[in-house]
Amino acid sequence: DGGITQSPKYLFRKEGQNVTLSCEQNLNHDAMYWYRQDPGQGLRLIYYSQIVNDFQKGDIAEGYSVSREKKESFPLTVTSAQKNPTAFYLCASTGRGRGNTEAFFGQGTRLTVV
Amino acid sequence: EDQVTQSPEALRLQEGESSSLNCSYTVSGLRGLFWYRQDPGKGPEFLFTLYSAGEEKEKERLKATLTKKESFLHITAPKPEDSATYLCAVQANSGYALNFGKGTSLLVTP
Repeated sequence: DGGITQSPKYLFRKEGQNVTLSCEQNLNHDAMYWYRQDPGQGLRLIYYSQIVNDFQKGDIAEGYSVSREKKESFPLTVTSAQKNPTAFYLCASTGRGRGNTEAFFGQGTRLTVV
Repeated sequence: EDQVTQSPEALRLQEGESSSLNCSYTVSGLRGLFWYRQDPGKGPEFLFTLYSAGEEKEKERLKATLTKKESFLHITAPKPEDSATYLCAVQANSGYALNFGKGTSLLVTP
């Protein structure tokens, strides 16, 4: 089955620690995205990548970093510079061309600072 | 700047009581408007894409419509299993990233 796989489902981070969230897709989509979801805030864009080896900052990129070395993979690192990382993180991908630009989402990673 | 506003924030319906959710938007050139359903602790599930004013899409008890300024998600004779948060998002011609509203939390009681 084609889809997006995020791991882990739950992640706990200690103060001052960097953690990396995994996102893999087998939909052959060019573009991939990371969103953050907080209660009452909706989904906010962190980073996005339209092609391999290229990515752009979204609305709330501070304290996060990404890489896009392979078309299928778009990992997100939450660094110690992110002061309030506790949230639900969602990875998505889209194709190109009319009729193929809806975003498909993974099942999310819930990150908690302990 | 693109903006998406959904109303109401929360809606409680009795089973069989039809209603509509609203999504008002401003965008510099609309590529598409999207509706998603999200269950607690899960990723959003794609429902519909609308591309131009006047377009309508239907799926079971749900029907989405689009004008130049807003979209409606009509729910006909809802069932308890329709309880979820419904998200609206717009995609501008300038890119493919989706800009989301804050969602409408729907509860359907038996």
